[in-house]
Amino acid sequence: QKEVEQNSGPLSVPEGAIASLNCTYSDRVSQSFFWYRQYSGKSPELIMSIYSNGDKEDGRFTAQLNKASQYVSLLIRDSQPSDSATYLCAVIGAGGTSYGKLTFGQGTILTVHP
Amino acid sequence: EAGVTQSPTHLIKTRGQQATLRCSPISGHTSVYWYQQALGLGLQFLLWYDEGEERNRGNFPPRFSGRQFPNYSSELNVNALELEDSALYLCASSPGLAEDNEQFFGPGTRLTVL
Repeated sequence: QKEVEQNSGPLSVPEGAIASLNCTYSDRVSQSFFWYRQYSGKSPELIMSIYSNGDKEDGRFTAQLNKASQYVSLLIRDSQPSDSATYLCAVIGAGGTSYGKLTFGQGTILTVHP
Repeated sequence: EAGVTQSPTHLIKTRGQQATLRCSPISGHTSVYWYQQALGLGLQFLLWYDEGEERNRGNFPPRFSGRQFPNYSSELNVNALELEDSALYLCASSPGLAEDNEQFFGPGTRLTVL
């Protein structure tokens, strides 16, 4: 089982729709969860961080965390063509060899078509 | 506020040579992380430095090494280059030792080993 798994893509949504990206993680004691956006040929850009169960909203983005289910998601409302990118879920574990390191999922490619 | 900077942008080496990659963190950040993004392998954690000390190391051979200078900038050295070392090397920084610190990435150095 991979440490961090994302829903298989690619994901294609029409402009203005809600894009839903999902991620599960295997380390039950993980504490910190992040979503990065990576445009082709560029480096990852942090768009959301979440540490507690529940929802966290920032503009058109909402991150949801459920530690009991070991599940984290990202919703993008009113999707725009400029949102087309690879979205990376990343987790920081709790100590030991996981200390401080981001473990990434394989990424989900999102395409928003006009 | 200036972001994380990396140099050089591109680096071409031949097998067996050594490569040195450099990173300057965001002003005020003391932690520097190195990641490798190889085609088909995703983002893999390499090293974490804080206050000049190595805090964690990923599952890479010893020929991957680095250091952090008193001004918090960092250097990644890769000795005895192999073809499979060709990848995008990303540096990230965060404010300090707290495990949940958000990590912000630089633009990366594209290393090509011929």
